[in-house]
Amino acid sequence: AQKVTQAQTEISVVEKEDVTLDCVYETRDTTYYLFWYKQPPSGELVFLIRRNSFDEQNEISGRYSWNFQKSTSSFNFTITASQVVDSAVYFCALRSDRGSTLGRLYFGRGTQLTVWP
Amino acid sequence: EPEVTQTPSHQVTQMGQEVILRCVPISNHLYFYWYRQILGQKVEFLVSFYNNEISEKSEIFDDQFSVERPDGSNFTLKIRSTKLEDSAMYFCALGTQRVYNEQFFGPGTRLTVL
Repeated sequence: AQKVTQAQTEISVVEKEDVTLDCVYETRDTTYYLFWYKQPPSGELVFLIRRNSFDEQNEISGRYSWNFQKSTSSFNFTITASQVVDSAVYFCALRSDRGSTLGRLYFGRGTQLTVWP
Repeated sequence: EPEVTQTPSHQVTQMGQEVILRCVPISNHLYFYWYRQILGQKVEFLVSFYNNEISEKSEIFDDQFSVERPDGSNFTLKIRSTKLEDSAMYFCALGTQRVYNEQFFGPGTRLTVL
């Protein structure tokens, strides 16, 4: 079974603090893909990053960084020097093609991040 | 990043009525998906569509739901007889290739069933 767990329901930080959003996944597949999406108050889902299971390199994009660890089945997301505009719900998602022809996404429940000025 | 619009942005309907939600890709895509998000909850897969037929559907996608591309461009989700529990945000997503298939989401249609 495919499953994504985001244990943090809500996180509040003050601007310029660093914050890490946790994501733990479950899959039996050896090849799979992990994603992060951002959902701002306006409601749309914004793609942030995709990670392939065979590529464990961590990635940095500006203030965003992602830490993928297969040993702990985690794909955590860190925002450095957070800003008010980072306030949103962040979803981690898993795509695994086992039993699926077009790779449906399995989403976690999301983490509501609030950044206070 | 592919562009996609969804119409309407908000639909209010009475229970038992039929609704059609539309997804309009700006450029050509092969893979289409519908997801829904009940308020405050996670995003859930409904159906995937490729080559003018359903590829996969979830347990949510029962006989009340149907999808099609009537004119080869728009991708529609029809709910035949809406129920109160169908109230949710419905997202269309597009993919451009089978492998490394990032799914880019439209802005969503908020459906309210009264």
